[in-house]
Amino acid sequence: GENVEQHPSTLSVQEGDSAVIKCTYSDSASNYFPWYKQELGKGPQLIIDIRSNVGEKKDQRIAVTLNKTAKHFSLHITETQPEDSAVYFCAASMRDTDKLIFGTGTRLQVFP
Amino acid sequence: EAQVTQNPRYLITVTGKKLTVTCSQNMNHEYMSWYRQDPGLGLRQIYYSMNVEVTDKGDVPEGYKVSRKEKRNFPLILESPSPNQTSLYFCASSYRAASYEQYFGPGTRLTVT
Repeated sequence: GENVEQHPSTLSVQEGDSAVIKCTYSDSASNYFPWYKQELGKGPQLIIDIRSNVGEKKDQRIAVTLNKTAKHFSLHITETQPEDSAVYFCAASMRDTDKLIFGTGTRLQVFP
Repeated sequence: EAQVTQNPRYLITVTGKKLTVTCSQNMNHEYMSWYRQDPGLGLRQIYYSMNVEVTDKGDVPEGYKVSRKEKRNFPLILESPSPNQTSLYFCASSYRAASYEQYFGPGTRLTVT
């Protein structure tokens, strides 16, 4: 079945630096790739998503890139701020079964 | 306010004692699902439902049951809980399918002793 691998599991950056989180997926039929942010004690919340007909999408300081050939996608956060500290999950949607498969998460810490 | 609610938020129980975690959404969403979150394993889908009376297994369905008798409610049932079901559980809903934004509830922390 579909598998989503996410790296790194933890990431520490200085405020103002950039952060990059990478995910790979196994099912070439996957066509939807969201990123969720989970703050402490809360449920995950969508921050950005991309569909397989688009290579890159940007929303202010956040961007996602997709490489369908290599089957990987990445989250880029620029000018990081302490409030970006959270756990980030990537996911891939399997078109045929309509399941959503999540990666194992990345704990991002932004130090002032 | 558009939201997904779960109850209870915290539950400590003993092995074998049947329990139900309720989930309700007020957004008229068709798609609902349950996840469990464990350290190092991320979020794993337990069951999902495309609409009323339609449910399907996710990746880790063993030991769980669900029902979707009404569009807004999607309860998770543990008929005979075991310690390996100790976890943080999230209910989520979306407009139509997995390929739409998922709205998550606040989570239910379950401990089975």
